[in-house]
Amino acid sequence: DTAVSQTPKYLVTQMGNDKSIKCEQNLGHDTMYWYKQDSKKFLKIMFSYNNKELIINETVPNRFSPKSPDKAHLNLHINSLELGDSAVYFCASSQDPTVEQYFGPGTRLTVT
Amino acid sequence: QKEVEQNSGPLSVPEGAIASLNCTYSDRGSQSFFWYRQYSGKSPELIMSIYSNGDKEDGRFTAQLNKASQYVSLLIRDSQPSDSATYLCAVSLSGGYNKLIFGAGTRLAVHP
Repeated sequence: DTAVSQTPKYLVTQMGNDKSIKCEQNLGHDTMYWYKQDSKKFLKIMFSYNNKELIINETVPNRFSPKSPDKAHLNLHINSLELGDSAVYFCASSQDPTVEQYFGPGTRLTVT
Repeated sequence: QKEVEQNSGPLSVPEGAIASLNCTYSDRGSQSFFWYRQYSGKSPELIMSIYSNGDKEDGRFTAQLNKASQYVSLLIRDSQPSDSATYLCAVSLSGGYNKLIFGAGTRLAVHP
């Protein structure tokens, strides 16, 4: 199946912990993104990489650090998790930064 | 001022009717416009993209764009209960990479 995949699908952890979410796409796309969808269902861009280069870096706490080892992978590491980090995190990819984006299934993060 | 605005709904239409979803945006330089469908607990799924003024049809879906009025709409003909979902309007900001700004979404309910 050609797709954008994320692991894990669910992540429950305590405040103060560090966690990572992984994303992989086998669509051959050059650009990948991380989005956050909060409890009000508002979807907001966090980061974007194009050919492993960071091109969008929104105003997010520096506890969030993306890493792109290659064009097909974009991981998100979160340090010192806080209650407010609870949300669904979506990875997406596109052929280039100007066209349609395709979303992964999401990772529901719950911080207790 | 919000950059992309949608009526949150719910928009309730009977099965077989036409559902009309609307979106306005503030960035006059925006060039790319997208409609995504999101079922509860699922990821956004791309339905339509539109880049130039006028209508674009794909099956039961028609996207309409009016850049002068900064308005984009989605028409769903012959609405089915399976169309019940939240529809997200996304607009790319001008001035660089495809940073998508999403509206808060319109919840559509199609009743038999």
